[in-house]
Amino acid sequence: GDSVTQMEGPVTLSEEAFLTINCTYTATGYPSLFWYVQYPGEGLQLLLKATKADDKGSNKGFEATYRKETTSFHLEKGSVQVSDSAVYFCALSDNQGGKLIFGQGTELSVKP
Amino acid sequence: NAGVTQTPKFRILKIGQSMTLQCTQDMNHNYMYWYRQDPGMGLKLIYYSVGAGITDKGEVPNGYNVSRSTTEDFPLRLELAAPSQTSVYFCASSYSGATYEQYFGPGTRLTVT
Repeated sequence: GDSVTQMEGPVTLSEEAFLTINCTYTATGYPSLFWYVQYPGEGLQLLLKATKADDKGSNKGFEATYRKETTSFHLEKGSVQVSDSAVYFCALSDNQGGKLIFGQGTELSVKP
Repeated sequence: NAGVTQTPKFRILKIGQSMTLQCTQDMNHNYMYWYRQDPGMGLKLIYYSVGAGITDKGEVPNGYNVSRSTTEDFPLRLELAAPSQTSVYFCASSYSGATYEQYFGPGTRLTVT
């Protein structure tokens, strides 16, 4: 079945460092891809998405490109801030009822 | 616009007890979902609904039941609680399926002892 694999955390960075969180997927068909973020004690909220190959999603300085040839959707940010500390989830939607399949999440901690 | 609301925020159950987790959305979304999140894991789908009167199983439905009598409400019923159901439960809704954003509630933390 469909699945999502993320790099394991926790990831600890200094403020203004470059961030990459790797995400690869396995799917039949053509899923939509998402990054969700979960701040401490809160529910998930959408960070960005891409619905077809070569699309780039971007929001709040974060970017991810839908790469069908490598089945990847890596999250990047050029300069992280303390306020970016959270858990990041990569997910795909299976085009059947919009069900999301999540990776295990990557905890990011940014130090001043 | 309150978005997706869930009650209660926290609950402790004894083994064998039952309870209902409430979920309400005020965005007139057709699609609603229940997920559980275990420590260090991603979310897993329990049940979902594509409209009032229509529900279907997700990846981990055993031990749970749902109903969808209105567009707004999607309660999750736990019968005969077991320690394996200790988790954080999230309800979500979306306007439609695959390419649309899901909006999540704040979660219910359930402990079964």
